[in-house]
Amino acid sequence: AQTVTQSQPEMSVQEAETVTLSCTYDTSESNYYLFWYKQPPSRQMILVIRQEAYKQQNATENRFSVNFQKAAKSFSLKISDSQLGDTAMYFCAFMSTRTYKYIFGTGTRLKVLA
Amino acid sequence: NAGVTQTPKFRILKIGQSMTLQCAQDMNHNYMYWYRQDPGMGLKLIYYSVGAGITDKGEVPNGYNVSRSTTEDFPLRLELAAPSQTSVYFCASNNELAKNIQYFGAGTRLSVL
Repeated sequence: AQTVTQSQPEMSVQEAETVTLSCTYDTSESNYYLFWYKQPPSRQMILVIRQEAYKQQNATENRFSVNFQKAAKSFSLKISDSQLGDTAMYFCAFMSTRTYKYIFGTGTRLKVLA
Repeated sequence: NAGVTQTPKFRILKIGQSMTLQCAQDMNHNYMYWYRQDPGMGLKLIYYSVGAGITDKGEVPNGYNVSRSTTEDFPLRLELAAPSQTSVYFCASNNELAKNIQYFGAGTRLSVL
């Protein structure tokens, strides 16, 4: 069974600094998708970034980038130039391309400090 | 284009009562999912469906049932509600055309007292 682990329950970062959120996963499949979602206090889930496992190049979306290490089954999120609006819960997620099962990690609560 | 619509938004149940949480999407997505999110925690997959007539268990299916008779609708049934089912329930959908990015409903906050 697939699992997604986020080992940092809470993190904080100063505004304009860089922070990295960790995520590891376990699967026996070779092709899958990985995602980072953000959940602000409004509870609405917002996609941050998406990675396809067969692509070696790390995904980037403006200030957000990932470090995808397929062999190590690691998928960390780097947020550069942190902004107060980045304060939220961040969830790492895995989707199987075989079963279409979609699994989320337990989340990391990020607080950006002024 | 409404996206994913969940009803009701809030509900209080007594122990032992039953109810159905409704979920409908208008994006023609093949895949639909039900999650529960306990306070301060992550999303746990209850059930999911890859198409009409096909459903499968997730991580925490006990105490719940689902059906998928149409592409659009994916109701979640709670039988014999228990306090442990107090949670926020999210429905989500996606497909390959949408790059498998999940679209979420606004959630249903359920309290079982």
